[in-house]
Amino acid sequence: GPKVLQIPSHQIIDMGQMVTLNCDPVSNHLYFYWYKQILGQQMEFLVNFYNGKVMEKSKLFKDQFSVERPDGSYFTLKIQPTALEDSAVYFCASSLGDWGSAETLYFGSGTRLTVL
Amino acid sequence: QQKVQQSPESLIVPEGGMASLNCTSSDRNVDYFWWYRQHSGKSPKMLMSIFSNGEKEEGRFTVHLNKASLHTSLHIRDSQPSDSALYLCAASDTNTGKLTFGDGTVLTVKP
Repeated sequence: GPKVLQIPSHQIIDMGQMVTLNCDPVSNHLYFYWYKQILGQQMEFLVNFYNGKVMEKSKLFKDQFSVERPDGSYFTLKIQPTALEDSAVYFCASSLGDWGSAETLYFGSGTRLTVL
Repeated sequence: QQKVQQSPESLIVPEGGMASLNCTSSDRNVDYFWWYRQHSGKSPKMLMSIFSNGEKEEGRFTVHLNKASLHTSLHIRDSQPSDSALYLCAASDTNTGKLTFGDGTVLTVKP
């Protein structure tokens, strides 16, 4: 089936540093998402992105977070500076249509971020 | 307040048994339900979705939906050890389509 690739699979950094998580969405998908999962439990929505813009973000998407997808490259989540509570697994997802079209979201395998 | 609630939190069934998982939305503006399965250390994968009242079956998996009570259930018959995973229920908002996940049910199938 369609695959979303995330790089790296694991990242360890010191608190206060900047980190960039990379996502290569399904090739013909137009909508991109980041979710945060702590301790293998609830998936919490962070942000969705379309046509170069943030469409919606949750209260978890702090000012230190930013997303972008320069043409032809990865969809990225940047955290600057990082905090201890940012430690989690971050999942990227993509879909062909938007929320309202009830398109299936395809998830990547996640990046485990550990902030020391 | 959690808008999508799943029960039980964890479930152990013997191999070959039936596993039943529940999910209810407290948000009336919900019209689609999705079930995702996530094996340990892996990404969630969409298992089944349901939009209409009633029942939908795919192989060993059956999903029920009661739109009046906003309750959906997933039933796995002839459970296999490979079915052991975290099962996530998600509901999408009628107006925005935004997907909200529940906390999940951890299913363990004992050989």
